[in-house]
Amino acid sequence: AQSVTQPDIHITVSEGASLELRCNYSYGATPYLFWYVQSPGQGLQLLLKYFSGDTLVQGIKGFEAEFKRSQSSFNLRKPSVHWSDAAEYFCAVGDRSGGSYIPTFGRGTSLIVHP
Amino acid sequence: DVKVTQSSRYLVKRTGEKVFLECVQDMDHENMFWYRQDPGLGLRLIYFSYDVKMKEKGDIPEGYSVSREKKERFSLILESASTNQTSMYLCASRPLLPNQPQHFGDGTRLSIL
Repeated sequence: AQSVTQPDIHITVSEGASLELRCNYSYGATPYLFWYVQSPGQGLQLLLKYFSGDTLVQGIKGFEAEFKRSQSSFNLRKPSVHWSDAAEYFCAVGDRSGGSYIPTFGRGTSLIVHP
Repeated sequence: DVKVTQSSRYLVKRTGEKVFLECVQDMDHENMFWYRQDPGLGLRLIYFSYDVKMKEKGDIPEGYSVSREKKERFSLILESASTNQTSMYLCASRPLLPNQPQHFGDGTRLSIL
């Protein structure tokens, strides 16, 4: 069965610093990969997705992520964090192997931004 | 713009009550999902529907049922609410193609007293 690991439960950064949130998955083929953000009291919003092509994908709000097949990773990055980026971030993996294509979510990483 | 609407943002019910959580999407999506979100546990899938009247159990279906009589509406039912069902509930929809992202509602925070 596929699994998604976000090893960092919490990350604290200073405003203006760079950010990298880690995501590792366990899956045999190239999956569909997503990053979502959840602001307090709201649902999840898509930041970016990858399913083929260029392994470096650009998303909204200045985020990008890189798919590395050899490391089974899809890490999310931002060069300069803003206070409004404080939120919960979820990595999700979709199954290409057929059936109902139900995505699996990581447990999330909570981002804290210090002024 | 895409919209998934959950009928209540906050709901307080009593133990043993039958509870209905409603979700409506306006995007004509085939797939709809109900998740439960708890601190440290991320999103756990309760039920998934891939078409009208069609459903699949997710990871934690015990104590829940669902109904999808129309394409745009997916209801989650707590047959006899218990305190351990106090949680945030998120509804999502998605087109048929699996490489498409899910669209989420704002969630219902349910408290069972």
